[in-house]
Amino acid sequence: DTAVSQTPKYLVTQMGNDKSIKCEQNLGHDTMYWYKQDSKKFLKIMFSYNNKELIINETVPNRFSPKSPDKAHLNLHINSLELGDSAVYFCASSQQGGGEAFFGQGTRLTVV
Amino acid sequence: KQEVTQIPAALSVPEGENLVLNCSFTDSAIYNLQWFRQDPGKGLTSLLLIQSSQREQTSGRLNASLDKSSGRSTLYIAASQPGDSATYLCAVPLGGANSKLTFGKGITLSVRP
Repeated sequence: DTAVSQTPKYLVTQMGNDKSIKCEQNLGHDTMYWYKQDSKKFLKIMFSYNNKELIINETVPNRFSPKSPDKAHLNLHINSLELGDSAVYFCASSQQGGGEAFFGQGTRLTVV
Repeated sequence: KQEVTQIPAALSVPEGENLVLNCSFTDSAIYNLQWFRQDPGKGLTSLLLIQSSQREQTSGRLNASLDKSSGRSTLYIAASQPGDSATYLCAVPLGGANSKLTFGKGITLSVRP
């Protein structure tokens, strides 16, 4: 039973399109995150949600909008995709207060 | 601002060798430190979590230590195997509601048969 699952695993799309990545966790955690791993493999936080409330927005362009319908889900919507958005996006979850973090398998986004 | 450093960026060792991967962080006010493994094209797998009150944590052939005062952690891998080849990342959270992880850039390990 996958703890943190995200879909799709691969996403290839044209510039200017709008796309969404979904994430679900079945661990009962109250905090969920989106991280971006760039071409140099460096992982950087994008958003953090705690009990459906946005806690962190790390200078991410407003074309990126997270949406959390409930504690177990955190989706990422990206509008007007640009070439530079190509990366691997990881969803993660943990308990509030710095508990062990669990990551999804990643979504490789390629913008052409 | 927390910064996490992992040096070297890559390491190649023959099978069977015991090895140590290093991680350093600039702000010692951490709640815990987590080591992850990432295989090519895959997600991150949590290996070990050391709480700030602990000095080490063990899982099988892996042993992670934490020295908060000096801002260092090490991941010890005993009797390395080709299957251990992967990228190893360490990460620290700031804690509280702001639990985002700050990652090092990782150490890519290659264990030669």
